[in-house]
Amino acid sequence: QSALTQPASVSGSPGQSITISCTGTSSDVGDYNYVSWYQQHTGKAPKVVIYAVSNRPSGVSNRFSGSKSGNTASLTISGLQAEDEADYYCSSYRSIPISVVFGGGTKLTVL
Amino acid sequence: EVQLVESGGGLVKPGGSLRLSCAASGFTFTSFTMNWVRQAPGKGLEWVSSISSASTNTYYADSLKGRFTVSRDNAKKSLYLQMNSLRAEDTAVYYCARGIAAVAGIPRHFDYWGQGTLVTVSS
Repeated sequence: QSALTQPASVSGSPGQSITISCTGTSSDVGDYNYVSWYQQHTGKAPKVVIYAVSNRPSGVSNRFSGSKSGNTASLTISGLQAEDEADYYCSSYRSIPISVVFGGGTKLTVL
Repeated sequence: EVQLVESGGGLVKPGGSLRLSCAASGFTFTSFTMNWVRQAPGKGLEWVSSISSASTNTYYADSLKGRFTVSRDNAKKSLYLQMNSLRAEDTAVYYCARGIAAVAGIPRHFDYWGQGTLVTVSS
């Protein structure tokens, strides 16, 4: 099961906005609105920041937003803060075979 | 407060077996799909397995090739992962995660995660 494709790293300065892409196929990202994004700080468990493409869980900053176009989903973080520095993973339901698939992860560095 | 606490990790020799457990509290366990996700040292997240609320449906990553078995005991609010024929590439932190809005037992996303238990496969 090949992973979803994410850039290995992105960076930005405090206050700026960054976008992380997540490319899949018509069997996952393209055909279902079940894309989620997870933030993972070093040594910690992942935390969901976006689910169902663009929904934010309670307690997650509105600086986090998600979208999708075709087979590619995106996570945008606006007004970057030092605390946003972490690894980010996208995930999607996949129909063939029935499974959950993750992206390879993107390391966000706040300069 | 939702809590997921994994246990059972440790050092095991190649070809050996291990059984992981996840104790759940703070929510109605019988209402949720439960899942295992692993992370090899320095690597990304990898979905391992999902089990529907009544154990009707179970799913596994193709890479496991039948070596792992997921189960749950709703009376004990516990999730399990039996791992057999372990290989060096199974070395990872194994997370228990609660699944939301499952489609036939496959979650649409994971909303709570445990802190993980480390499995090391080495001679």
